[in-house]
Parts: sequence; structure tokens; C-alpha cells
Amino acid sequence: GNSVTQMEGPVTLSEEAFLTINCTYTATGYPSLFWYVQYPGEGLQLLLKATKADDKGSNKGFEATYRKETTSFHLEKGSVQVSDSAVYFCALSGTNAGKSTFGDGTTLTVKP
Amino acid sequence: NAGVTQTPKFQVLKTGQSMTLQCAQDMNHEYMSWYRQDPGMGLRLIHYSVGAGITDQGEVPNGYNVSRSTTEDFPLRLLSAAPSQTSVYFCASSWDRGAKNIQYFGAGTRLSVL
Repeated sequence: GNSVTQMEGPVTLSEEAFLTINCTYTATGYPSLFWYVQYPGEGLQLLLKATKADDKGSNKGFEATYRKETTSFHLEKGSVQVSDSAVYFCALSGTNAGKSTFGDGTTLTVKP
Repeated sequence: NAGVTQTPKFQVLKTGQSMTLQCAQDMNHEYMSWYRQDPGMGLRLIHYSVGAGITDQGEVPNGYNVSRSTTEDFPLRLLSAAPSQTSVYFCASSWDRGAKNIQYFGAGTRLSVL
């Protein structure tokens, strides 16, 4: 079956530091890959996505590239802000739009 | 834009009680899903639906029932609550035409079973 493995947290960074959160996956076929973000007390919301190999998803300064050869989708941001503090989930979806597989989530705290 | 609406936001039950978590979406999405979120375990799929009248089990379906009589609504029923069902429950909707399976989530229901 499908699975997603995320870098364990929590991660604590100073403002303007570089962020990387690792994500690798196991799936049959050609899944779509996602990063979702969850702010305290809220539901998950899409941060970025990539639908095929070598695609780069980007949003709000965050980027991730779909690497089929290494089955990875690592999240990066060049300069984090306090407002980026949240829980980040890597996820994949195959042919069924109602079924996504999520990683365990990585809690990011950014200190001023 | 309401999106996905879940009620209630918080609920406390005693062991053995039953209840229904409500979920409604106004985006005309075909797919709807229920997940539970437990600390350190990400989101796990409970049940999902690919359209009105069609439901299927996810990874952790035991103790939960669902039905989908309309496109908009997808309630989750706990038949006899157990402490192991203490969790945060998220409903999501999605469609697969051009949106590449992006899921839209409600704000969640935090359930405690005593």
C-alpha cells in the first residue's frame, strides 16, 4: 500500500533561517504529491502540490520538487518567519480523490 | 465561502454513548472523507465516499458508520463510543477534475470519550 515518511520533529528555527523538511513516499503508479499546513486550532489547508515527476510546487516562498528517482518531495523555504510556525504534512493521492495518505506531520516553531 | 463545515467543534461523551458528527460542503465535490488525527500519527482515513449513495472503508473503520444521501452531507456516526475514539476528527471534500485530488478540510471536531 501507499505510505509517506516525514522527517521527525519538532523543528525549531530562528527567524530568517533556512528550512528543509524531508518527505519520502512509497506508492504504486504515479501519485500526486502535496504539502498541507495546519495552524493551531484549524483544519489542514493546501500549501503546494506537484502532479508529475520533476514538477516543482511553490507557494508563499515554500518549494518542493517531485523526485521520482528518489521518491521524495522535500519542503524548503529560504527564510522562515514567525508566522510560518505550524504543523506541516506531506501527503500523496492516487487515482481515488477521496483517499489521501499522510505523513505523521512535522511541527515547526520559528522564534524571533 | 463556507467550504467544508463541521459541527460540533467540541464534544464530550461517556463510554457507550452514541453520536453523529456532521459534515457539509457547498462546493459540489464528488468525494468526501473522514479522517482522525492522533498525536504523532498524522491523519488516518476512517471512511470515504465517491458520490451520493456510495461509501467505502478506509484504514480505521471499526466503530464508525457513514452514509451519503446527498452530495452535500456526509455524517459520521459513533455507535458506542470508546475511550480509544478520543481524537480530533476532520472531514474533507475533493474532486478529481483538474484539481488533482486536492482535499479541502473542515476545522475539525475535538472529541473526548470518558
